[in-house]
Amino acid sequence: DSGVTQTPKHLITATGQRVTLRCSPRSGDLSVYWYQQSLDQGLQFLIQYYNGEERAKGNILERFSAQQFPDLHSELNLSSLELGDSALYFCASSVEPSWAEAFFGQGTRLTVV
Amino acid sequence: QQQVKQSPQSLIVQKGGISIINCAYENTAFDYFPWYQQFPGKGPALLIAIRPDVSEKKEGRFTISFNKSAKQFSLHIMDSQPGDSATYFCAASKDYGQNFVFGPGTRLSVLP
Repeated sequence: DSGVTQTPKHLITATGQRVTLRCSPRSGDLSVYWYQQSLDQGLQFLIQYYNGEERAKGNILERFSAQQFPDLHSELNLSSLELGDSALYFCASSVEPSWAEAFFGQGTRLTVV
Repeated sequence: QQQVKQSPQSLIVQKGGISIINCAYENTAFDYFPWYQQFPGKGPALLIAIRPDVSEKKEGRFTISFNKSAKQFSLHIMDSQPGDSATYFCAASKDYGQNFVFGPGTRLSVLP
């Protein structure tokens, strides 16, 4: 167990809908990262927050947004969902803003139907 | 230039054998090269990592070999065990934590 908690574990929703994925980092970790893992695109970095501020942005679509709250948990919001958004979404956390030391959660499997 | 190529896509090895996975990169600014191990239903976990100032790093049965001039690095798993069956990802970043990319992954199956 990495100590990073993601909820829900599974999510099935229809196209056009909006969902929110939640991540609780390990105790003491200030940095949170979001990743998308799909069969065709592999593992892709979406966005990073450090102590509430956006730190780095990767291949995140405009329909997606994220934030990190004062208690350091983070939420990834996915809107206007398309079939192609079906993927595993991972959150990772680290003490310092270095992804190299990050620990991954178990992921949320999103299925868009 | 941001891509990391990884091969093979899948690998089958007998128990006790050596598993070798290769990665190649283009961006010479990359300065950190980790390997991740992912079991089904789990998130990736950092396995071992190397900086370009060394050519080899060993941790237990896992070794990274790094060839800076060829822009290649590889993971060697000695005495492979069925419990090593997983998907392995190489990755590369610059500025130690910024601007990183993952390889497409290698699915390793170790036969008992």
